[in-house]
Amino acid sequence: QQPVQSPQAVILREGEDAVINCSSSKALYSVHWYRQKHGEAPVFLMILLKGGEQKGHEKISASFNEKKQQSSLYLTASQLSYSGTYFCGTERSDSWGKLQFGAGTQVVVTP
Amino acid sequence: DGGITQSPKYLFRKEGQNVTLSCEQNLNHDAMYWYRQDPGQGLRLIYYSQIVNDFQKGDIAEGYSVSREKKESFPLTVTSAQKNPTAFYLCASSIKTDSYEQYFGPGTRLTVT
Repeated sequence: QQPVQSPQAVILREGEDAVINCSSSKALYSVHWYRQKHGEAPVFLMILLKGGEQKGHEKISASFNEKKQQSSLYLTASQLSYSGTYFCGTERSDSWGKLQFGAGTQVVVTP
Repeated sequence: DGGITQSPKYLFRKEGQNVTLSCEQNLNHDAMYWYRQDPGQGLRLIYYSQIVNDFQKGDIAEGYSVSREKKESFPLTVTSAQKNPTAFYLCASSIKTDSYEQYFGPGTRLTVT
């Protein structure tokens, strides 16, 4: 079952902040975040593991609420280069190694 | 340069024909994956392989087949049994399957008419 991402799309002015949410109905072991530019391959941003270990990327950070099986990606002081579609990939506790991706959140950053 | 290559970038086939998509990696990764992406949708896992000569079905394996005879290669065959084969196909690899970042190839856009 795919995780649910929200919002579907967001438009920002350069310098503004945004939050993208990802939720699952199943117990999760990890949450991965990727960004994909149009026509290109997804690029890894970060992974959040059950237990709190986290890695970051530029001014983009994320949290993982294990009790709620939810993750949030925070885009801080957005730059034009942040435009793209953001996907969360969830790794279930009963299915290690397999990622299930959300439908994506399209982010457009304008000057 | 280390990375993942997929070829060709664009592929056109007639309905009823099998077609094989290439994926090669020189990252020395154990795990490899195939995903399908349809417009406006996320990635859906077709097959994945944790080691040579072993692979598992993903969420949408019907109509597809794979092989993993070499660590660096994981070709995907789209068979005539796949009802809607037109899509963007992405290959990825990771050091191992458990909770490691995946590196994606540039993708192959397959059009079947």
